Amino acid sequence: AQTVTQSQPEMSVQEAETVTLSCTYDTSESDYYLFWYKQPPSRQMILVIRQEAYKQQNATENRFSVNFQKAAKSFSLKISDSQLGDAAMYFCAYRRWGDMRFGAGTRLTVKP
Amino acid sequence: DTGVSQNPRHKITKRGQNVTFRCDPISEHNRLYWYRQTLGQGPEFLTYFQNEAQLEKSRLLSDRFSAERPKGSFSTLEIQRTEQGDSAMYLCASSLDDARALNYGYTFGSGTRLTVV
Repeated sequence: AQTVTQSQPEMSVQEAETVTLSCTYDTSESDYYLFWYKQPPSRQMILVIRQEAYKQQNATENRFSVNFQKAAKSFSLKISDSQLGDAAMYFCAYRRWGDMRFGAGTRLTVKP
Repeated sequence: DTGVSQNPRHKITKRGQNVTFRCDPISEHNRLYWYRQTLGQGPEFLTYFQNEAQLEKSRLLSDRFSAERPKGSFSTLEIQRTEQGDSAMYLCASSLDDARALNYGYTFGSGTRLTVV
């Protein structure tokens, strides 16, 4: 079974600084998809960034980028120039074909 | 299209009562998923549909839980004889899944928060 582990329950970053959220996963598959979702307080989950496992190039979406290490089964999220609106729960997720499996999440606080 | 819609937003029920939640996915999405999320945790998979067919059910989905998607459009999740442990946020998500779209991820609804007293 695939499992997703987020080892940082909480993280804090100063506004305008950079923060990296960690995620590891366990799978025996070679082709799969990885995602980071953001869940602001009392609001719905939104997709931040995605990565196809067959692509070596790390995905980037504006201030958000990932460091995908396939051999190490690691998928970290880097947020640059952090903004107050980035404060939320962040979930790492794995998907092969059917349902998506999520980690327990990291609560990110942004300090002004 | 206004995205994935879930109703009601909040539900308070007494232990032992039955409750039903509704999810309206994005109209062109063929897959629909139900997840449960407790405070401070990530979403846990319950079940999913491709069109009207229920393709997978989690072991978390006890006999008291049933889900339907009768015409491949909206879906309902019913919990019978609710227990306090059923208190959680129930999330619905949808996706368009074909060989080209697997990596698009899900679109989530805002969830239904269930409180069993």
